[in-house]
This record gives sequence, structure tokens and C-alpha cells, in this order.
Amino acid sequence: EDQVTQSPEALRLQEGESSSLNCSYTVSGLRGLFWYRQDPGKGPEFLFTLYSAGEEKEKERLKATLTKKESFLHITAPKPEDSATYLCAGTGGYQKVTFGTGTKLQVIP
Amino acid sequence: DGGITQSPKYLFRKEGQNVTLSCEQNLNHDAMYWYRQDPGQGLRLIYYSQIVNDFQKGDIAEGYSVSREKKESFPLTVTSAQKNPTAFYLCASSLTGAAFENGYTFGSGTRLTVV
Repeated sequence: EDQVTQSPEALRLQEGESSSLNCSYTVSGLRGLFWYRQDPGKGPEFLFTLYSAGEEKEKERLKATLTKKESFLHITAPKPEDSATYLCAGTGGYQKVTFGTGTKLQVIP
Repeated sequence: DGGITQSPKYLFRKEGQNVTLSCEQNLNHDAMYWYRQDPGQGLRLIYYSQIVNDFQKGDIAEGYSVSREKKESFPLTVTSAQKNPTAFYLCASSLTGAAFENGYTFGSGTRLTVV
């Protein structure tokens, strides 16, 4: 059975304090690894898709990386507006997408 | 501005009542999905549709029903057979049925509460 595990469950950072969120996965025949951002009471917002080990993608203060067992979302010099829950999901193809439970990030001014 | 519209934002259901959640997209996406989100759990797939007039059960379809009569619309009915319907419901779409190619676009969700 496919599994996606995110850690930590919650993370509190001072503004400007860089850190990383972890996503460990066991997804048979991984075709794509997704990162989403979700604000309270809203739907997830797409951030990145990673397709193969060694791939990296960046968007503003966020950088996502992928190995054969894990993905990391690196947050550089975060701002309070980066506060949200970050979701990771893996798919082995088509409709079989497995989501993690998320990391709730709080950035304190 | 393209996107997915879910309504209502909040919905209250009495015991034994069926309720329908609306989902409309103007992205011209082929595939549409319904997910359920509960605290401390990952999103779970209820139903999906890759083409008009066709849909498939996901992991937790019991107590739910859907229709796909138009490309733009994918309503979800929560029936009285669903014993624990209180949750946050998310509708999503993807350009094709291969979500790994494009990822999902999500709506803003409907919070359903049993009263």
C-alpha cells in the first residue's frame, strides 16, 4: 500500500529563520510527487510537481527537492505570509494519488 | 478568470437527509474529482470522472453519489447512508485523467456539518 508521511506535524519559525519540511514516501512506480499549500478554510493551491530523483524546483522562497525515498520543501528566509499547511502527495499513475497529512507552518514576525 | 467554484461554503445536514454539493469549473479540464478532508488525515478520494457521463468510485465511495452530465459540472450527493458525513469536501480538476502530468486545481471547499 502506498504511503506518504510528512514531518514535522507543526513547525514554528521566526521570520527569516530558514528550515525544511520532510515528505517520506513509499509509492509504487512513482510518476509524480506534488507539493501544495493550503490556507485555513481554503482548498490546496498547487506549488510543484517533481518527477525524478535529483530534480529541484523553486518558487520565490520555496525550493522542492526529490530523492528516491524523500522530498524536501526548503523555505528560505520565511515571512509571516508563508504561514499555511503544506501538503505532499505522491502518485504511481492516474487516479491513485496518496496525500500526506501535512505540515502546519507558522512564521512569527 | 478560470477556476473551480464550490457551493455552498457551509452546509448543515439533518439526520436522514440527502444533501448535494455543487462543483463547477471553467478551465475546460477533462477530469474532475471529489476528495474528503478530515483533521489528522490525508485527503481521501470519493469519486472521480475522466469524461462526461462516466465516473468511477474512489477509496471511500460508500454513502455518496455523483453525476457528470456536463463537462463543467460534477455535483456530489451525500446520502443518508453516509454515517459520518461531517468533513471538509474538496472538488478538484485536472487537464487530463493523468493528474501526474498537470497536478490538480482545487476549489475552495464545502464544510458539511451534521446537526
